[in-house]
Amino acid sequence: GESVGLHLPTLSVQEGDNSIINCAYSNSASDYFIWYKQESGKGPQFIIDIRSNMDKRQGQRVTVLLNKTVKHLSLQIAATQPGDSAVYFCAENGGPPTGAGGTSYGKLTFGQGTILTVHP
Amino acid sequence: NAGVTQTPKFQVLKTGQSMTLQCAQDMNHEYMSWYRQDPGMGLRLIHYSVGAGITDQGEVPNGYNVSRSTTEDFPLRLLSAAPSQTSVYFCASRVSGISNQPQHFGDGTRLSIL
Repeated sequence: GESVGLHLPTLSVQEGDNSIINCAYSNSASDYFIWYKQESGKGPQFIIDIRSNMDKRQGQRVTVLLNKTVKHLSLQIAATQPGDSAVYFCAENGGPPTGAGGTSYGKLTFGQGTILTVHP
Repeated sequence: NAGVTQTPKFQVLKTGQSMTLQCAQDMNHEYMSWYRQDPGMGLRLIHYSVGAGITDQGEVPNGYNVSRSTTEDFPLRLLSAAPSQTSVYFCASRVSGISNQPQHFGDGTRLSIL
């Protein structure tokens, strides 16, 4: 699975299968996490987010799971479709702002992404 | 509501030339930021702004300048383009500087420096 800062992995699935994309984050102070989808030639598109006071959050066909104990985040896509083929990124916020001009103020750290390919 | 709009979509420059990448958002967001995306490196923060008149450096600010004279616009200037600045540049915005909110991205500017 993906890790913030490591080599880009790939995942191939058949249409209709469920997909699970993983992300390991490094900063235990992070209290907010986001998943983005990026299609070829486009900018990252927000999918779903989760705060650290939650373990699970569901959207339309997507679920994000957060395991703070092992610093692991996953994105589950139900009934994957060819239109889901894209690069998926996780991002963490590094914790609450450390003050005006603080190094973590307003900043997200992005993973390098996982390439999801859905075969018809 | 167009979201985040970036222009141009593509640009080729010669080493030493200068140019400005434009970014505009119509969501009245306080926070705006610029990233560059390189193969195997993920998105790296160049500069960001938490409101009009306020900017700060990100992870890779060298060779770039920004200004924020209005809430809507956040241009990125390359002062003297170098081949190392060949990349895809993304502008993003969110409601405020508080980091537990999603950022919304433009579709990018693909920049090549020869």
